Amino acid sequence: QQQVKQSPQSLIVQKGGISIINCAYENTAFDYFPWYQQFPGKGPALLIAIRPDVSEKKEGRFTISFNKSAKQFSLHIMDSQPGDSATYFCAASGTSGSRLTFGEGTQLTVNP
Amino acid sequence: NAGVMQNPRHLVRRRGQEARLRCSPMKGHSHVYWYRQLPEEGLKFMVYLQKENIIDESGMPKERFSAEFPKEGPSILRIQQVVRGDSAAYFCASSPLLLLGGANTEAFFGQGTRLTVV
Repeated sequence: QQQVKQSPQSLIVQKGGISIINCAYENTAFDYFPWYQQFPGKGPALLIAIRPDVSEKKEGRFTISFNKSAKQFSLHIMDSQPGDSATYFCAASGTSGSRLTFGEGTQLTVNP
Repeated sequence: NAGVMQNPRHLVRRRGQEARLRCSPMKGHSHVYWYRQLPEEGLKFMVYLQKENIIDESGMPKERFSAEFPKEGPSILRIQQVVRGDSAAYFCASSPLLLLGGANTEAFFGQGTRLTVV
């Protein structure tokens, strides 16, 4: 019940294209859904996060879409750039504490 | 405002030795979390601490692993009698006090300590 499932495992997109990464969760107590970006040899960095009271949040080229009834959320990267090439993790946590449950990660490659 | 500081960045230990990983949270943050990342995998929660208290250690292996966050100084993750399977990247994250009502706030991650057991 604590799992967060992420897909795809890897994604290759052309420069200027849209990258879409999907996550699904089981625990209905989750109420905070962040996305993290991780470059090789670095720690995860928060990219964007959403709470279940909204269905979409946009920050620059990054958008989270949230479907509470389906228990799914996704990250859309518009106008993808080679500099976006990294591993992306979705995560979820509940109000019982801020421990994060992470998805398995998506390795994104944006070709020039 | 320095971020979450972890040291060492890289640590090599022989099987059977002890590994000590340190984490200094961001200034003003009183919550510390440790996560482990195996190669090509996501991060797995290990332990959640506040000053002088272990709040949630449900992700910690029952043996050989311990964590503390003393009143003064950094948080320490200690692995005794390391084995090859302990080789991983260990990340520390910190966050400020939870908002009233238990709402979650952003967790900031350090650069990690990459432990290699030979």
